[in-house]
Amino acid sequence: DVKVTQSSRYLVKRTGEKVFLECVQDMDHENMFWYRQDPGLGLRLIYFSYDVKMKEKGDIPEGYSVSREKKERFSLILESASTNQTSMYLCASSFLLGGNEQFFGPGTRLTVL
Amino acid sequence: KQEVTQIPAALSVPEGENLVLNCSFTDSAIYNLQWFRQDPGKGLTSLLLIQSSQREQTSGRLNASLDKSSGRSTLYIAASQPGDSATYLCAVLGNAGNMLTFGGGTRLMVKP
Repeated sequence: DVKVTQSSRYLVKRTGEKVFLECVQDMDHENMFWYRQDPGLGLRLIYFSYDVKMKEKGDIPEGYSVSREKKERFSLILESASTNQTSMYLCASSFLLGGNEQFFGPGTRLTVL
Repeated sequence: KQEVTQIPAALSVPEGENLVLNCSFTDSAIYNLQWFRQDPGKGLTSLLLIQSSQREQTSGRLNASLDKSSGRSTLYIAASQPGDSATYLCAVLGNAGNMLTFGGGTRLMVKP
């Protein structure tokens, strides 16, 4: 089975802190994605990556950056956390070719105080 | 821009009923459509993936259909059980790239 893991299930940070969310997949997938999920707004794509060191902006990249130094690992970085970044963050992965299923991790519930 | 709508937003049924969840999308130029299940506070579990050339996919008590020309998909759940209670999300992958567009979900409660 595909396994996508995220470093934390729950995280509480203070405004202005630098925050790292880590995602690891074990299926040799080329594509990796970061989404956030908010009530009433659904899932929105922040960034995705189709290869090591490659990244593409999604619908809401402002306030975030990403890093992909190894194929299996994709990090989401909040340079200076703000309260409006309190959300559920979901990581996903898939094979490069279009038409392949995306597999999701368990999510990280981030609260910024 | 692709928009995905799921109706109803919430549904409550007694155990044992067969039920249908609906998903509609505005741009029929899709590569595939995926149905997910999400339990409260958890990640998404992929249920079924339908390629644009397919009409339906089945897995156990679940059957998903796709009518690309009309921009619709349905998820049929047979003989519903309390363990089916969750939010069900559909998402479409456009021809242009690798980004999924999600619907708002249907929150299903199956009462014993």
